[in-house]
Amino acid sequence: LAKTTQPISMDSYEGQEVNITCSHNNIATNDYITWYQQFPSQGPRFIIQGYKTKVTNEVASLFIPADRKSSTLSLPRVSLSDTAVYYCLVGDTHRMGYQKVTFGTGTKLQVIP
Amino acid sequence: DSGVTQTPKHLITATGQRVTLRCSPRSGDLSVYWYQQSLDQGLQFLIHYYNGEERAKGNILERFSAQQFPDLHSELNLSSLELGDSALYFCASSVAFSLGGNEQFFGPGTRLTVL
Repeated sequence: LAKTTQPISMDSYEGQEVNITCSHNNIATNDYITWYQQFPSQGPRFIIQGYKTKVTNEVASLFIPADRKSSTLSLPRVSLSDTAVYYCLVGDTHRMGYQKVTFGTGTKLQVIP
Repeated sequence: DSGVTQTPKHLITATGQRVTLRCSPRSGDLSVYWYQQSLDQGLQFLIHYYNGEERAKGNILERFSAQQFPDLHSELNLSSLELGDSALYFCASSVAFSLGGNEQFFGPGTRLTVL
């Protein structure tokens, strides 16, 4: 079962770039890496997903090194509304294609004015 | 609005009781996932259904069970409730069977309080 490890919390000033790293040493060949954002008492919301190298969308970038044992979510120029918990998710694919889902412990990002 | 609906929004019950949580996935989504989130805790994967068939189990207790019906809605049954079962229960849906290349859409959750 692929386990993920993230920093418990991070602080950043408004306008700064924030990088959150997730370790997933036992990631399987078919696993994708996905990041979600969660506000208090709300369901998580998809941010970005990748398999290798770099993926960029309108809200974030995801960097995945060649060995895929870690990934880094990059949020450019954060604002106060980016204060949330960010989860790294790795899909754990069994041989038969059945997947368990492993969310990380989450990183609580606090954006400071 | 993710398009995933969960009912009820809040549920208060007593220890030893049984409750049923309901989830309606987004139109067209065949996969349903259930998660438990205790206070200030991360998301714990419980179970995954695809098109009516159980696909994977996570840390789901034997007192808990789930099913996905032909119309693709899903129910999570929690029995012999204990104080520690108090949590937010989320349902999520996605189009396909595999997580790869697919986004999960989460519902608003059901907050269960066991007294």
